[in-house]
Amino acid sequence: GAVVSQHPSWVICKSGTSVKIECRSLDFQATTMFWYRQFPKQSLMLMATSNEGSKATYEQGVEKDKFLINHASLTLSTLTVTSAHPEDSSFYICSARPGLAAFGNTGELFFGEGSRLTVL
Amino acid sequence: GENVEQHPSTLSVQEGDSAVIKCTYSDSASNYFPWYKQELGKRPQLIIDIRSNVGEKKDQRIAVTLNKTAKHFSLHITETQPEDSAVYFCAASIRLSGNTGKLIFGQGTTLQVKP
Repeated sequence: GAVVSQHPSWVICKSGTSVKIECRSLDFQATTMFWYRQFPKQSLMLMATSNEGSKATYEQGVEKDKFLINHASLTLSTLTVTSAHPEDSSFYICSARPGLAAFGNTGELFFGEGSRLTVL
Repeated sequence: GENVEQHPSTLSVQEGDSAVIKCTYSDSASNYFPWYKQELGKRPQLIIDIRSNVGEKKDQRIAVTLNKTAKHFSLHITETQPEDSAVYFCAASIRLSGNTGKLIFGQGTTLQVKP
């Protein structure tokens, strides 16, 4: 199947600092990527849809100035948590789906490994 | 807004028994329904999916059924094994544009299979 890679896998930062998480599609191009957040023992909550070459679409209740998304190429999307606070500590997971010409376009969404953010 | 409800939140079965997890969705335009298995600290892995033009799909011990009229779909695992223990998520795809859709997940079911 398609491969989505995420980096870093875990990060610890001080309150008030910014953290950038990268999501790469390694063997396919992704015009759209999705960012999810998962708190312990909870579900995956969609934060935003990242669109290559245009602004991200944020879900209701997600602060766009807090969670900056940049999808500068067809294989890379980044999520920057700005001025992080302890309540931002969570598991952030990106995902992407290959297009029509790749992997038979089964519709399957492939997930990155996830990035565990801990804000002290 | 779009919503996916999943039940039960926890499920404990004896090894060899069957497990059933049920989900309902709100958006009648949803057309793709995957099920994911997630082990602690790891990424979700697709185990089976179904499209809205099919009522049932089976893959060895796993099957999914879909009732479009009632807007609910279910995961069935037969002959459960301890390695089936994990958190299972259902999801429904909300179409965005072109061939792209976003997935909305259910709350998750923690399945425990006792040896």
